[in-house]
Amino acid sequence: DAEITQSPRHKITETGRQVTLACHQTWNHNNMFWYRQDLGHGLRLIHYSYGVQDTNKGEVSDGYSVSRSNTEDLPLTLESAASSQTSVYFCASSESGRAEAFFGQGTRLTVV
Amino acid sequence: QKEVEQDPGPLSVPEGAIVSLNCTYSNSAFQYFMWYRQYSRKGPELLMYTYSSGNKEDGRFTAQVDKSSKYISLFIRDSQPSDSATYLCAMSEGSSASKIIFGSGTRLSIRP
Repeated sequence: DAEITQSPRHKITETGRQVTLACHQTWNHNNMFWYRQDLGHGLRLIHYSYGVQDTNKGEVSDGYSVSRSNTEDLPLTLESAASSQTSVYFCASSESGRAEAFFGQGTRLTVV
Repeated sequence: QKEVEQDPGPLSVPEGAIVSLNCTYSNSAFQYFMWYRQYSRKGPELLMYTYSSGNKEDGRFTAQVDKSSKYISLFIRDSQPSDSATYLCAMSEGSSASKIIFGSGTRLSIRP
């Protein structure tokens, strides 16, 4: 079965460190997304990609970057982790031209 | 004011009851409406997807959209303990998942 997997599921890191969260999908979807979920804010879009070599900023992109070198993967990098980036991060993918997104299981990141 | 408002709950009902979950929104350009279910420590999963106004039924679930009132609802009939989860409404203007706006979620608990 096609799926979308995130790793690691949990991570604790120190302020100022660079952190990369992995996302891999086997749906063969062109569109991939990164969200963060915080209490009271729901899901907020960080970055998204419509295909290989395409990346776009979302609502809360400051301090984050992504790169898309193939269809399956969209890693999210926190350049210099801050305590405000403690959150649960979700990767998602969708077919081109479709609004429905399919989500991974999430990565719980704690910045201390 | 948020574009999408959703009562955070928690909402607790006895098993077998009819559950009504609601969202209001301010952007009249929204055309695509979705409901996601999120179990604790899991990623959101798409439950219902509707376009424009009207009703859509899938088993025990009915999604209702009233664009004139900017109000959407999800009804769950014969609720089961396994329905206990957080329900997120989501909506977008176009068919692109990059423009989805999520509600903050309603936590639902079904008492056996």
